[in-house]
Amino acid sequence: AQKITQTQPGMFVQEKEAVTLDCTYDTSDPSYGLFWYKQPSSGEMIFLIYQGSYDQQNATEGRYSLNFQKARKSANLVISASQLGDSAMYFCAMREGGKTSYDKVIFGPGTSLSVIP
Amino acid sequence: NAGVMQNPRHLVRRRGQEARLRCSPMKGHSHVYWYRQLPEEGLKFMVYLQKENIIDESGMPKERFSAEFPKEGPSILRIQQVVRGDSAAYFCASSSGLAGGSYEQYFGPGTRLTVT
Repeated sequence: AQKITQTQPGMFVQEKEAVTLDCTYDTSDPSYGLFWYKQPSSGEMIFLIYQGSYDQQNATEGRYSLNFQKARKSANLVISASQLGDSAMYFCAMREGGKTSYDKVIFGPGTSLSVIP
Repeated sequence: NAGVMQNPRHLVRRRGQEARLRCSPMKGHSHVYWYRQLPEEGLKFMVYLQKENIIDESGMPKERFSAEFPKEGPSILRIQQVVRGDSAAYFCASSSGLAGGSYEQYFGPGTRLTVT
């Protein structure tokens, strides 16, 4: 079964508008972490934001925020005020485990975001 | 440059040759992870290593692939007798491994392997 699901293979957003990229996950471990990475056309993987399963508040980093709904097992990424440079692939990922917090990270299939001027 | 270094950035090999991919983790990081990204797909975990130890190789193909992280020097991902299906981007990531340390894995720029 898929551990990380990203149902939107491609998304378009108008410049300066906000966009939400969906991510649902599947785990039975009570301790886990969720990540979002950005991969521009140049290919590098850029860390955006992290949410721990026990974090009380939704994570925010500048224009990025994570809409964490634990009961629904969703961790959607919200990008506010989209910029042309936001056009890229976006990957949701999960790390399972608490004590062994250095375990492998499982990635979703990604969502391609295109920002329209 | 304090980031994760990978070389070469691009590697072309003919079928049957060997490919060696190198990864130098961030300074102070002792945990290394290798991931493979096939075209149009997300990253797939391959192997997790600490210095001189393979911790988890559950994502490594059983044959032709091996990885090491020696006491001195970079981590090496070796692919023997490459086939066209090995063409992919191979990413290395590192983390600090300190108790209570960063959860974050820092990624290198990747090595793009093309098998002709």
